[in-house]
Amino acid sequence: QKEVEQDPGPLSVPEGAIVSLNCTYSNSAFQYFMWYRQYSRKGPELLMYTYSSGNKEDGRFTAQVDKSSKYISLFIRDSQPSDSATYLCAMSRYSGGGADGLTFGKGTHLIIQP
Amino acid sequence: ETGVTQTPRHLVMGMTNKKSLKCEQHLGHNAMYWYKQSAKKPLELMFVYNFKEQTENNSVPSRFSPECPNSSHLFLHLHTLQPEDSALYLCASSTGEPGEKLFFGSGTQLSVL
Repeated sequence: QKEVEQDPGPLSVPEGAIVSLNCTYSNSAFQYFMWYRQYSRKGPELLMYTYSSGNKEDGRFTAQVDKSSKYISLFIRDSQPSDSATYLCAMSRYSGGGADGLTFGKGTHLIIQP
Repeated sequence: ETGVTQTPRHLVMGMTNKKSLKCEQHLGHNAMYWYKQSAKKPLELMFVYNFKEQTENNSVPSRFSPECPNSSHLFLHLHTLQPEDSALYLCASSTGEPGEKLFFGSGTQLSVL
């Protein structure tokens, strides 16, 4: 079983729709959860950052973490064509040593149709 | 100037060549990372440096050799690569604290012929 599972898509939705992106994971040691957005020919950029379970909202974006189900979600409201990109979930273990690196999902390719 | 800069943006090399990828971060971070991104695969962590010390080597073949002369610069030296090494190589930096937020460069698109 892979550590992080994410449907690669593509996921195509009309402009203005609510988008739901998800990841599941198997390692209960993960404590920090992130979503990155990656445009074509660019590096990933951090979009949302959450520690442990709960919700976090930032503008049109909401991140949810359910540690009991090992399931995380990203919701995008009022989706725009500029949201078309690949969305990567990423996770980090707690470590007193600090820099361990993140574990990523494959990424979901999202297309917002004008 | 962007926070993490990678050069070159594109690189084509033969299997017998030696080349180096360069990364520089202007964020005052202490940790730097190399990731490999291949089509239809998750980002693969290759190396981690924290305060110039290598803390992670994820079973990477010896034809990839990292170098971190200081907290702002990271290199990836390449020699006798294979065609399956063709990928996007991404550099990132973070503060090095637990739950690190990584900031990525735009990557080097490498093609091995």
